Amino acid sequence: GESVGLHLPTLSVQEGDNSIINCAYSNSASDYFIWYKQESGKGPQFIIDIRSNMDKRQGQRVTVLLNKTVKHLSLQIAATQPGDSAVYFCAENFNQAGTALIFGKGTTLSVSS
Amino acid sequence: DAGITQSPRHKVTETGTPVTLRCHQTENHRYMYWYRQDPGHGLRLIHYSYGVKDTDKGEVSDGYSVSRSKTEDFLLTLESATSSQTSVYFCAISETSVASGNTIYFGEGSWLTVV
Repeated sequence: GESVGLHLPTLSVQEGDNSIINCAYSNSASDYFIWYKQESGKGPQFIIDIRSNMDKRQGQRVTVLLNKTVKHLSLQIAATQPGDSAVYFCAENFNQAGTALIFGKGTTLSVSS
Repeated sequence: DAGITQSPRHKVTETGTPVTLRCHQTENHRYMYWYRQDPGHGLRLIHYSYGVKDTDKGEVSDGYSVSRSKTEDFLLTLESATSSQTSVYFCAISETSVASGNTIYFGEGSWLTVV
């Protein structure tokens, strides 16, 4: 596996490795977070979400970790596959009225076989 | 895939002309959004709607207007297009407010070029 620190724009891994994509969010009052995957020429696709009353949530091959102390979110992808190659965005529910999401700048994951 | 259709998918227009992008959903979701995506800026909210005829501004609303006369349709209008509005526009929907833990689902995007 490979950790990329707070945020790096690109991450290159070998097929079968575990990937870790990090995101620092902006507002300590944010209470809902989502990870999206965006393939070239397509719209963002929902991967997994987590609320602020949790610190970990697992899906199929993906795990999201939330550290509210340092306002940090991470996405772990197990056994990364070439089809996982895409840009990954984290998003936070920033608006107190809960009306929209604020997105991070994204990390490009490249998986080589 | 969420039932979201954007039209047109690609458009080239001249500076100063009006442009309308349409978003149609078949999910009967209450909330609809328009985002734009630009290199270096990521996804930014333009306008959103929380019901028929109920809309509000996002962080980059200048130069844009919206209308929602039916639950299923949300229109984004550029009254007089400028080159700075060249972008990819995404429509999105959510069943209720994001604060209720409802995920936002995105359409496939509309590529707009203003020359």
